[in-house]
Amino acid sequence: NAGVTQTPKFQVLKTGQSMTLQCAQDMNHEYMSWYRQDPGMGLRLIHYSVGAGITDQGEVPNGYNVSRSTTEDFPLRLLSAAPSQTSVYFCASSPLAVNYGYTFGSGTRLTVV
Amino acid sequence: AQTVTQSQPEMSVQEAETVTLSCTYDTSESDYYLFWYKQPPSRQMILVIRQEAYKQQNATENRFSVNFQKAAKSFSLKISDSQLGDAAMYFCAYRSLNSGYALNFGKGTSLLVTP
Repeated sequence: NAGVTQTPKFQVLKTGQSMTLQCAQDMNHEYMSWYRQDPGMGLRLIHYSVGAGITDQGEVPNGYNVSRSTTEDFPLRLLSAAPSQTSVYFCASSPLAVNYGYTFGSGTRLTVV
Repeated sequence: AQTVTQSQPEMSVQEAETVTLSCTYDTSESDYYLFWYKQPPSRQMILVIRQEAYKQQNATENRFSVNFQKAAKSFSLKISDSQLGDAAMYFCAYRSLNSGYALNFGKGTSLLVTP
């Protein structure tokens, strides 16, 4: 099925550990982004990309790293996990045009202990 | 970044009744798009409806419609004939070229549907 594939769905990390959340889309979308969702805070933009080789920071980028080596993949790296990074993470993609909404992945629930 | 405000953290509606969720936004742009997303307990984000700012006609998708007041910067969602499956978090979002193609989300409204 065409869409955004996000893995893993659940993850528990210890403080200080690193990990990568994977995101892949097969719709040839230029735009990809990562959000975190916290209770009462809505969805906040972490990083985004408008094409392969191009990334930029969103509202809450600290502690996260991204790269975009291909159109399809946009992994999110947690460099040294902290309890404040406990959240639900969403990857989303869209064509590079503002009249489109996003297609979202199914989300990753991350707990840092 | 443009600010999107959802002033109702929680709303409740009885089955078969109509409910309206509020959303306001702050922008100086004239060309932008507005969206409502639904997030059921499954966590999946589902696009409900979309409105182009240059269109005066309000968007409608089956039981879902919007009341778009551009001058007032208001974009409310009306759900008619509410069903138990409508229970979810609802997010209002704004997108424009000047926002770097990013969707700016409100904090959400939790909708409870009672039998």
